[in-house]
Amino acid sequence: AQKITQTQPGMFVQEKEAVTLDCTYDTSDPSYGLFWYKQPSSGEMIFLIYQGSYDQQNATEGRYSLNFQKARKSANLVISASQLGDSAMYFCAMREDFSGGYQKVTFGTGTKLQVIP
Amino acid sequence: GAVVSQHPSWVICKSGTSVKIECRSLDFQATTMFWYRQFPKQSLMLMATSNEGSKATYEQGVEKDKFLINHASLTLSTLTVTSAHPEDSSFYICSARDQEGAKNIQYFGAGTRLSVL
Repeated sequence: AQKITQTQPGMFVQEKEAVTLDCTYDTSDPSYGLFWYKQPSSGEMIFLIYQGSYDQQNATEGRYSLNFQKARKSANLVISASQLGDSAMYFCAMREDFSGGYQKVTFGTGTKLQVIP
Repeated sequence: GAVVSQHPSWVICKSGTSVKIECRSLDFQATTMFWYRQFPKQSLMLMATSNEGSKATYEQGVEKDKFLINHASLTLSTLTVTSAHPEDSSFYICSARDQEGAKNIQYFGAGTRLSVL
């Protein structure tokens, strides 16, 4: 089974509108972390937002918010007031914490977001 | 956010030569760094986990003699692609884990595009 699933290969959004990028995850561990990264065409991976499995409130970072629904195992990224510079690939990732301090991060397949003027 | 520097950003080499890629955490110490490989329009594939002062942990299917990893200090990890061949051409990207707090966020370098002729 896929650890991280992003079902939207591509998305379009009008400039200044909000957009939701979907992400579901699969783990049986109680301790984990969820991340979203942005990868523009230049290739760098830019950290956007983090949600811990024990966090009670949804994470927010400026125009980014993470809609964390633990029972559904979903961690959707919401981008408000889209800008042309938001056009990029977006990856959802999950960090699993294992015994002995070992951690592993798994990435989803990504969603290509295009913002239309 | 924390800064990770990766060098070089682009390298072209002849088949049979070795190529070294450096990954530095500039404003934090990283006992753990990660090396990923990304094929066009695909997600990141973890190659190995680099641990400061000890041997790297390689993912299944990754040849450790082919991809040599050295993590000699808390701010530097290197990946050497030995006897490179055209099939090694890819985008290689490193990350460093910031263990400040519980988030353990991975910050990424800008990546290295390797082309083997």
